[in-house]
Amino acid sequence: AQTVTQSQPEMSVQDAETVTLSCTYDTSENNYYLFWYKQPPSRQMILVIRQEAYKQQNATENRFSVNFQKAAKSFSLKISDSQLGDTAMYFCATFNFGNEKLTFGTGTRLTIIP
Amino acid sequence: GAVVSQHPSRVICKSGTSVKIECRSLDFQATTMFWYRQFPKQSLMLMATSNEGSKATYEQGVEKDKFLINHASLTLSTLTVTSAHPEDSSFYICSASVPGTYTEAFFGQGTRLTVV
Repeated sequence: AQTVTQSQPEMSVQDAETVTLSCTYDTSENNYYLFWYKQPPSRQMILVIRQEAYKQQNATENRFSVNFQKAAKSFSLKISDSQLGDTAMYFCATFNFGNEKLTFGTGTRLTIIP
Repeated sequence: GAVVSQHPSRVICKSGTSVKIECRSLDFQATTMFWYRQFPKQSLMLMATSNEGSKATYEQGVEKDKFLINHASLTLSTLTVTSAHPEDSSFYICSASVPGTYTEAFFGQGTRLTVV
């Protein structure tokens, strides 16, 4: 079974600052995907960034980047130049190719302070 | 990206009645859809995998007679909460991915169910 751990239930930063959200996971799969999803107050799940486990290069998407450490099974999300619209719950998730299931972490509630 | 539409967004029902939630893939055919339940300030818990043309696969601890899933077409899956009770009140979310080209899961807007 896959497990995903997010050790920071809540975080807050000033706007324009950089913040890093932590995520560790456990899987017996060799091939898998990792995701960060954002859930704003509207509760619509939005994909932030995706990382294929076979790729060594860290994924980046504008202000969002990840630090993927496969051996350590760590997948942190860095948000640069944070904005008020980044306020949301952030979920780390793993995807299992075998059953096409997503396993979510417990989430980190991020608040951007004006 | 692909669009998944969920309806209704909010529903209030009386105890003992049944309520149906629809999940549609608008611009792609989804052979598999997933249903999640989310309690306040908690993560998404997978309830079941909905398979087009066959029975759903339920996660351990989920009552299949309470949460009926039907996936009769390649674009529609429904979740029916039968004989609803206040403890069934929750936020329900569906998702689907484009078959054969998995890059991400696309989520519906969610349904807030309140049983009174």
